[in-house]
Amino acid sequence: SAVISQKPSRDICQRGTSLTIQCQVDSQVTMMFWYRQQPGQSLTLIATANQGSEATYESGFVIDKFPISRPNLTFSTLTVSNMSPEDSSIYLCSVNRALDTQYFGPGTRLTVL
Amino acid sequence: GENVEQHPSTLSVQEGDSAVIKCTYSDSASNYFPWYKQELGKGPQLIIDIRSNVGEKKDQRIAVTLNKTAKHFSLHITETQPEDSAVYFCAAPSYSGGGADGLTFGKGTHLIIQP
Repeated sequence: SAVISQKPSRDICQRGTSLTIQCQVDSQVTMMFWYRQQPGQSLTLIATANQGSEATYESGFVIDKFPISRPNLTFSTLTVSNMSPEDSSIYLCSVNRALDTQYFGPGTRLTVL
Repeated sequence: GENVEQHPSTLSVQEGDSAVIKCTYSDSASNYFPWYKQELGKGPQLIIDIRSNVGEKKDQRIAVTLNKTAKHFSLHITETQPEDSAVYFCAAPSYSGGGADGLTFGKGTHLIIQP
């Protein structure tokens, strides 16, 4: 498995501001992923982050809104920019282990007022 | 990309009974199918997974079956206990083949264990 931590665990933000979420893994991994889980909904993949290259975004998600950094093999950040109430969600990072097995962090619960 | 359908959305069973959750997928090239359990306020926890080279996998009270011809897979929980109450998600690789490009999730099943 993997030990994954996220910061902050939760936050309440004002519309128009930005929040950067951090994801730290206990050992080096090639692939890191960011997901969004809207209230009472399932998980939706935002982007895939590989170290040393630009993140790959899924349809409906753009870099200007969700810029991602991946400075090394144990760390990544996701920024939610120019937030609106519709961005209120749980944001989750995950990592690959043993081929395609994915493990998730505890999530960051974001409320935008 | 992959499309995953999950049923039922809510499942209520008596403690000690069995629970079955079913999922279908669209991409016949998909070869990896994980199941996650999410408790309130927590991230999803991987509970079992299956690859396309086997039809069934068991881990104590939990089992997963896979029918590649019909493109469906199911989670079976036997002798349910109160701590099994949670939301369960099935998933499949978002793109053909393995999950290295992320996962597509079903909509989730809220499992309620009645005492």
